Amino acid sequence: AQTVTQSQPEMSVQEAETVTLSCTYDTSENNYYLFWYKQPPSRQMILVIRQEAYKQQNATENRFSVNFQKAAKSFSLKISDSQLGDTAMYFCAFIPTNKIIFGKGTRLHILP
Amino acid sequence: ETGVTQTPRHLVMGMTNKKSLKCEQHLGHNAMYWYKQSAKKPLELMFVYSLEERVENNSVPSRFSPECPNSSHLFLHLHTLQPEDSALYLCASSQDTYRTEAFFGQGTRLTVV
Repeated sequence: AQTVTQSQPEMSVQEAETVTLSCTYDTSENNYYLFWYKQPPSRQMILVIRQEAYKQQNATENRFSVNFQKAAKSFSLKISDSQLGDTAMYFCAFIPTNKIIFGKGTRLHILP
Repeated sequence: ETGVTQTPRHLVMGMTNKKSLKCEQHLGHNAMYWYKQSAKKPLELMFVYSLEERVENNSVPSRFSPECPNSSHLFLHLHTLQPEDSALYLCASSQDTYRTEAFFGQGTRLTVV
């Protein structure tokens, strides 16, 4: 089965700290695409970062970066210098074949 | 703003009503999706359309009826819903179904009374 597991249902960190959200997945495919989405209280799901499995280099997007470990099927998201606006649900997702599969999400609270 | 627009934003309907949710994208995408998001449950993929053809229907009850008249528009027709159908319904689109990220609308918060 192709699944995505986010083992942290909820996390809280102080503003300006660094936080890492974990994600593991299961697939027998060799080439696929991985994503992190953010859903703030406004409900809009927004793409944070994208990684192609065939690329060894970890994707970065400003304060957001990933640690992609293909052999371990791990795709964690690191948020540096966290800000109050980072408070949201974060969903890990991937496309192994022809549909996107989402994890259950991690609710992240950034505390002032 | 992601380029995917959903209307209405909020909807309250009785169990005997018939209503429709609308989704529109002008991103030139070929695939469109309906998701259901309930409290404390993962995102549930309901329907997938690729090039206006339904390619996936995840055992969704027949009281939900999708329609994709063209590549820019997607509807979800609702009739005789149950209170447990109350949820956030999200529409998304993507360039294709196998490699590109999905862009989401802001959702319709549906309450069935």
